[in-house]
Amino acid sequence: HLQLQESGPGLVRPSETLSLTCSVSGDSISSSRYYWGWIRQPPGEGLEWIASIYHGGSTYYNPSLRSRVSISVDTSKRQFSLNLTSVTATDTAVYYCARHGAEPGAYHFDFWGQGALVTVST
Amino acid sequence: EIVLTQSPATLSLSPGERATLSCRASQSVSTFLAWYQQKPGQAPRLLIYDASNRATGIPARFSGSGSGTDFTLTISSLEPEDFAVYYCHQRYNWPPITFGQGTRLEI
Repeated sequence: HLQLQESGPGLVRPSETLSLTCSVSGDSISSSRYYWGWIRQPPGEGLEWIASIYHGGSTYYNPSLRSRVSISVDTSKRQFSLNLTSVTATDTAVYYCARHGAEPGAYHFDFWGQGALVTVST
Repeated sequence: EIVLTQSPATLSLSPGERATLSCRASQSVSTFLAWYQQKPGQAPRLLIYDASNRATGIPARFSGSGSGTDFTLTISSLEPEDFAVYYCHQRYNWPPITFGQGTRLEI
């Protein structure tokens, strides 16, 4: 049974870099059938996709965040990570990691982590 | 970017009633649309994928329909645990992956 778990600091100072890691257990992170992604949700608001990565290292970013975001994968540790630079209070959100399919008919996010609240504040 | 517009923003119903939620895409997404349910303090849970396929473990009272630009999530007879926020989602044409703004289903 696949499980995803986010980890990282819960508080980040303005202008610094937000770094989160998602640990994957119960399935291979190297499968060609899936992408691994990050989604965030500001308090009381909706869902915003941030970025996804494929097993070969191909990366996909939300154009609205592209200049500040990077996603990477460490298959040996079964982890993928998110870096978001130059954060402001508007980056305060619950950050979710999730898996989505690569094949037609499987484009949805089928497994999600529990979410990690990151607050940007002094 | 494909914009997903959900309506209504809030739907007030009672247990036992039928709920109909709408999601309209700014351009065709074929049938590659999914629905999620989110309760307070929880991650979203996949309900429907490919417009009309129920995810594993999802009760039969949940059904999805539509293709192209217009989609519907129907809950045939509301149970108390169904009161939550519902999001539609597309990954047909990306990046970016987009979500609707959500429909809050309340008592």
